[in-house]
Amino acid sequence: AQSVTQLGSHVSVSEGALVLLRCNYSSSVPPYLFWYVQYPNQGLQLLLKYTSAATLVKGINGFEAEFKKSETSFHLTKPSAHMSDAAEYFCAVSPIKAAGNKLTFGGGTRVLVKP
Amino acid sequence: KAGVTQTPRYLIKTRGQQVTLSCSPISGHRSVSWYQQTPGQGLQFLFEYFSETQRNKGNFPGRFSGRQFSNSRSEMNVSTLELGDSALYLCASSSTGSENIQYFGAGTRLSVL
Repeated sequence: AQSVTQLGSHVSVSEGALVLLRCNYSSSVPPYLFWYVQYPNQGLQLLLKYTSAATLVKGINGFEAEFKKSETSFHLTKPSAHMSDAAEYFCAVSPIKAAGNKLTFGGGTRVLVKP
Repeated sequence: KAGVTQTPRYLIKTRGQQVTLSCSPISGHRSVSWYQQTPGQGLQFLFEYFSETQRNKGNFPGRFSGRQFSNSRSEMNVSTLELGDSALYLCASSSTGSENIQYFGAGTRLSVL
């Protein structure tokens, strides 16, 4: 079974500083990988996805993530945090060769941006 | 294109009652998945419907059921509500061959008193 671990349930960064959110997955073969963001009282918005093409993936709002097979990681970064980045971020995986859609999520990381 | 629409946005029920939640997927999407989000358990997969058939199922009791209609709209039903069923229920839709990319609705927040 696949699993996802997000290191750190809460991260605090200063406005303008680097944002780094960690995600490690457990799977016998590399899966599809996703980062979603959730703002208060809203659903999940897709930030970016890795689907076995380029290992460095660029997403919306200046975020990017790098897939590292040897480390089974898919960490999310943004060079300069903005106040609007305050939200909860979820890493998720989905098996490539499987019928249907089923996402397995990490526990989430809540980001606080300090002025 | 309109996004995924979930109704109602908020629900308050009492223990023992049943509830039905509705989800309209993005036009053209045939797959609809449901997830439960709670502070303690996080985001958990409930089930997925594709072409009116349940294609995947998570590890939830039989009190949780769903169905999908010919227009791809889906409903989720929870019978004999328990306090622990209080959660945000999220629906997601996906198109065929979309590399499993799922697009989420805003959710229905269910409170069980």
